[in-house]
Amino acid sequence: DAGVIQSPRHEVTEMGQEVTLRCKPISGHNSLFWYRQTMMRGLELLIYFNNNVPIDDSGMPEDRFSAKMPNASFSTLKIQPSEPRDSAVYFCASSLGGRNNEQFFGPGTRLTVL
Amino acid sequence: AQSVTQPDIHITVSEGASLELRCNYSYGATPYLFWYVQSPGQGLQLLLKYFSGDTLVQGIKGFEAEFKRSQSSFNLRKPSVHWSDAAEYFCAVYWDNFNKFYFGSGTKLNVKP
Repeated sequence: DAGVIQSPRHEVTEMGQEVTLRCKPISGHNSLFWYRQTMMRGLELLIYFNNNVPIDDSGMPEDRFSAKMPNASFSTLKIQPSEPRDSAVYFCASSLGGRNNEQFFGPGTRLTVL
Repeated sequence: AQSVTQPDIHITVSEGASLELRCNYSYGATPYLFWYVQSPGQGLQLLLKYFSGDTLVQGIKGFEAEFKRSQSSFNLRKPSVHWSDAAEYFCAVYWDNFNKFYFGSGTKLNVKP
């Protein structure tokens, strides 16, 4: 298996633009997580899906952020409109089973909002 | 309140020396415990995990960790560090009743030649 796939790996955009980050989890995994990593705040869980259903979105910072999982093999994290403070590395992770199982992380998307 | 603490932000050790990275958690219930490693520009990779049973767990790359309930700790150790171990290490904790992962703030390991 190729592991968790994220695209793009790097994204540079201007403030106010819409940004869409994509994730393909490991085949057969039924849990998917979106994280944000910054120097100031470390690694933060944004949202957690189980069987394509959002279970916990309490980490989503504000309404500008939205996430979808239309099927078991694809998820998106959208920021609209983007702001400079959204600059971070965004990781997607997947696991088989619930949250207490090992999470496999993708390589991340480094987002820079100018 | 539940939390995970990695008290050391940066650690520098010489190649070949032993290593111990500290992780403490708050809250009384026994959690599921994990250590992840993040190499520069990469995602996190699981080193080892503890769910139950033997409190000394072995992981990949020669790492081990010991769960000490009395100290609420899950410290990561390696007897002899290699230059390729330079990375950031994250402790993570999961409690059933909170149904949530908590990551520590990470410890950056630098290895001197």
